[in-house]
Amino acid sequence: GENVEQHPSTLSVQEGDSAVIKCTYSDSASNYFPWYKQELGKGPQLIIDIRSNVGEKKDQRIAVTLNKTAKHFSLHITETQPEDSAVYFCAASNGSGAGSYQLTFGKGTKLSVIP
Amino acid sequence: ETGVTQSPTHLIKTRGQQVTLRCSSQSGHNTVSWYQQALGQGPQFIFQYYREEENGRGNFPPRFSGLQFPNYSSELNVNALELDDSALYLCASSKYPGQGAYEQYFGPGTRLTVT
Repeated sequence: GENVEQHPSTLSVQEGDSAVIKCTYSDSASNYFPWYKQELGKGPQLIIDIRSNVGEKKDQRIAVTLNKTAKHFSLHITETQPEDSAVYFCAASNGSGAGSYQLTFGKGTKLSVIP
Repeated sequence: ETGVTQSPTHLIKTRGQQVTLRCSSQSGHNTVSWYQQALGQGPQFIFQYYREEENGRGNFPPRFSGLQFPNYSSELNVNALELDDSALYLCASSKYPGQGAYEQYFGPGTRLTVT
């Protein structure tokens, strides 16, 4: 089955700096890579995703890049703000029919933005 | 648009008991997935329901079972509770078929403690 590795496990940055979180996956059939933000006491919130036919996607201060050959993808947050502090999870899926859209998650990165 | 809701918020059970957790999917969504999130870990896929049938299951024993109802809401049942079942149980909904099938939106979760 799919295995997703995520690094680093913790990340501290100064407000205004950039943050980068990296993930690798094992199943070459995976074709969908979402990123979730989870705040304390809440469920994961989908913040950005990328499909295997796209190399990069940007949404305001956040961007995701995908390298299919190397089987890795990354989350980039620019101009970090204290409200970006949370646990971030990457995930992978190889959806091809009902029931096959299961997400395999990394172990998470705790991001702390220091004011 | 109504988001994913789950009940109850918290639950304390004794080892060997049975528990039922409930989930209402986001409006317009017809597929429900359940995940278990142990403390400090990423969510792990339990199973997915579409058209009231289980479609896809992760590495969980048969004492984890579920239901989906005609209104697309769902239940997760766990029999013979074990201490290791203590976790945050997350429900996610999506819309199949089409591109929306990939995008899973999570509820706030139910925190289950087994003593």
